[in-house]
Amino acid sequence: EAQVTQNPRYLITVTGKKLTVTCSQNMNHEYMSWYRQDPGLGLRQIYYSMNVEVTDKGDVPEGYKVSRKEKRNFPLILESPSPNQTSLYFCASSSGQASYYGYTFGSGTRLTVV
Amino acid sequence: GIQVEQSPPDLILQEGANSTLRCNFSDSVNNLQWFHQNPWGQLINLFYIPSGTKQNGRLSATTVATERYSLLYISSSQTTDSGVYFCAVVEKYGNNRLAFGKGNQVVVIP
Repeated sequence: EAQVTQNPRYLITVTGKKLTVTCSQNMNHEYMSWYRQDPGLGLRQIYYSMNVEVTDKGDVPEGYKVSRKEKRNFPLILESPSPNQTSLYFCASSSGQASYYGYTFGSGTRLTVV
Repeated sequence: GIQVEQSPPDLILQEGANSTLRCNFSDSVNNLQWFHQNPWGQLINLFYIPSGTKQNGRLSATTVATERYSLLYISSSQTTDSGVYFCAVVEKYGNNRLAFGKGNQVVVIP
């Protein structure tokens, strides 16, 4: 089944403890992206990647890192999480010229930083 | 950047009723998608519809790109249709970023 898989689905962590949210797609998509969703602010893009080893900042990149060492994986790294990074996170992917083919989203990761 | 406005923001429906959700966008787009966010937070892709009309069961969507709007129709609504419906677009000359509207909160009551 074609899908985007995120792990974990739920995570509670403490301030300052490094964490990684994994994202993997099995559709051979070039384009991958991370979004966060917050009440009243909607969904905002954090980082995106046009292809392997090509990443760029989205609208809200502060406090996050990403890497794209292989096509299928696009992990989101929080080096020193803070409570304002408590949010619902989504990974998405699309093929080729991303805008022409539509996006597939993962199931989301609900992160709480205390 | 491109602006995406959805209306109405909130909608309460009796089971079996029909409804129309609207999405207006401020610039030319390459892509438009409708998503349903279920009570568990998952974003389910409903339609990829940069132009024209599509139907999937009780749902259908129409996008008139030249007039910069899209409509999502829900017919014979069911309680499982409850949730938030998002319209998202990719600006024609942007970085492929999906820009989301604030959503339509739909509650279907039995």
